[in-house]
Amino acid sequence: KNQVEQSPQSLIILEGKNCTLQCNYTVSPFSNLRWYKQDTGRGPVSLTIMTFSENTKSNGRYTATLDADTKQSSLHITASQLSDSASYICVVRGNQFYFGTGTSLTVIP
Amino acid sequence: EAGVTQFPSHSVIEKGQTVTLRCDPISGHDNLYWYRRVMGKEIKFLLHFVKESKQDESGMPNNRFLAERTGGTYSTLKVQPAELEDSGVYFCASSQDHGGGSYGYTFGSGTRLTVV
Repeated sequence: KNQVEQSPQSLIILEGKNCTLQCNYTVSPFSNLRWYKQDTGRGPVSLTIMTFSENTKSNGRYTATLDADTKQSSLHITASQLSDSASYICVVRGNQFYFGTGTSLTVIP
Repeated sequence: EAGVTQFPSHSVIEKGQTVTLRCDPISGHDNLYWYRRVMGKEIKFLLHFVKESKQDESGMPNNRFLAERTGGTYSTLKVQPAELEDSGVYFCASSQDHGGGSYGYTFGSGTRLTVV
């Protein structure tokens, strides 16, 4: 069964701290993996896209990693800001798109 | 450029009524997708248009849902008759190519549908 699982479900961190979000998938065949940020009341916005051959990709303070062998990805946020508070969704493209349930991140001052 | 626009942003209807959701994709985007997020669950794919043609509608839950994209511009998603389990947030996304390219897919803000 094609699934995307994310952990933790929710996370609260202090402003300025780093955090890492996890995504494990069982989607096959695999085409690519994307991380999205979704602010409350808004649609998801793409942060990174990774294909099978890519291990790491950065977008500012966001760094995504992919291990295609173990089917795991992580999103590392460095020096968190209050505006990072959002839901982070992992999406894996196989024959169609499979979404994780997201990690709700809250950054507090 | 204008993003993907969806309306209404919220809709509350009674069970058995009909509701039509609308999505205006980014101009020039041939690919248009509908997704749905039921409370507490992950976002799930409903269907994919390429211009006015339905490329993949494998995610449509049942025949109470009808999606159209006449002229290959905006799309509508009609639910008739609505049931309680149809409540959720309906997202629309568009892209120039099916792969999404480097920028991914642009999502609308969603329509929150509540069936009471």
